[in-house]
Amino acid sequence: DAGITQSPRHKVTETGTPVTLRCHQTENHRYMYWYRQDPGHGLRLIHYSYGVKDTDKGEVSDGYSVSRSKTEDFLLTLESATSSQTSVYFCATSGGQGQPQHFGDGTRLSIL
Amino acid sequence: GQQLNQSPQSMFIQEGEDVSMNCTSSSIFNTWLWYKQDPGEGPVLLIALYKAGELTSNGRLTAQFGITRKDSFLNISASIPSDVGIYFCAGQSSSSSASKIIFGSGTRLSIRP
Repeated sequence: DAGITQSPRHKVTETGTPVTLRCHQTENHRYMYWYRQDPGHGLRLIHYSYGVKDTDKGEVSDGYSVSRSKTEDFLLTLESATSSQTSVYFCATSGGQGQPQHFGDGTRLSIL
Repeated sequence: GQQLNQSPQSMFIQEGEDVSMNCTSSSIFNTWLWYKQDPGEGPVLLIALYKAGELTSNGRLTAQFGITRKDSFLNISASIPSDVGIYFCAGQSSSSSASKIIFGSGTRLSIRP
C-alpha cells in the first residue's frame, strides 16, 4: 500500500547491539512515521517526520532515534537494543495534513 | 492524553452474520479511520470519515462518524471467512500536527467453525 517497503522483514539480534530499520516509500509523501505494535498496546507512535531532516518524538521514543535524509527514506535506529524493544515495527506515510496514513508490512524484531 | 476505547475486544461470529464494532473517545476528532490487519501484514485502510454524521460504505462495510464527533462505528454485513482479522479504529484531532492519529486497541474478529 502506498508503495511502502520495510527492510529487513525479520531480524534477530542480541542485547546491546545497534539495529537500523529502513522504510522506503515511492509515493513522495511528506509525512512518515514509525510505530511499534505489542500485544495489549495496539500501535504506538515512536517518531515521525514532517519533511526531510524534520523529525519529532512520539509517545514511546526513548531508546530510539530516526533520520530522514531523503523524502523516500526514513530510518529507525536502536543504538543499543534491549529485550523490551522486541516488537513488530511498522512504518507509515501520509500525503498531507488530514490525509490517512498507509502502512508497510512491518519488521519483526527479536532481541535476545 | 487522548485515548480511544474500542469494543468489543474480540468476537466470534458465524459466517453470514452481521458484525458491529465501535470506538468512543472523550475528545473530539476531525477524522475517523477504520483499518483491518491480517496476520503478518500491516494495517490496511478500509474507510475514512471526515464529517460529523457522515455514513460511508465500502462494499459490505459501512462506517459512520458520530454526530458528537466523539465516536464511530463499523458494520460488516453478511460476514465471510476473509473478514477474519483485527480491525482498528483511529482518530485525528484538529490539534494534531503532521497528520498524527490515535489508534484504538483493536477488535479481533474470528469465524466460528
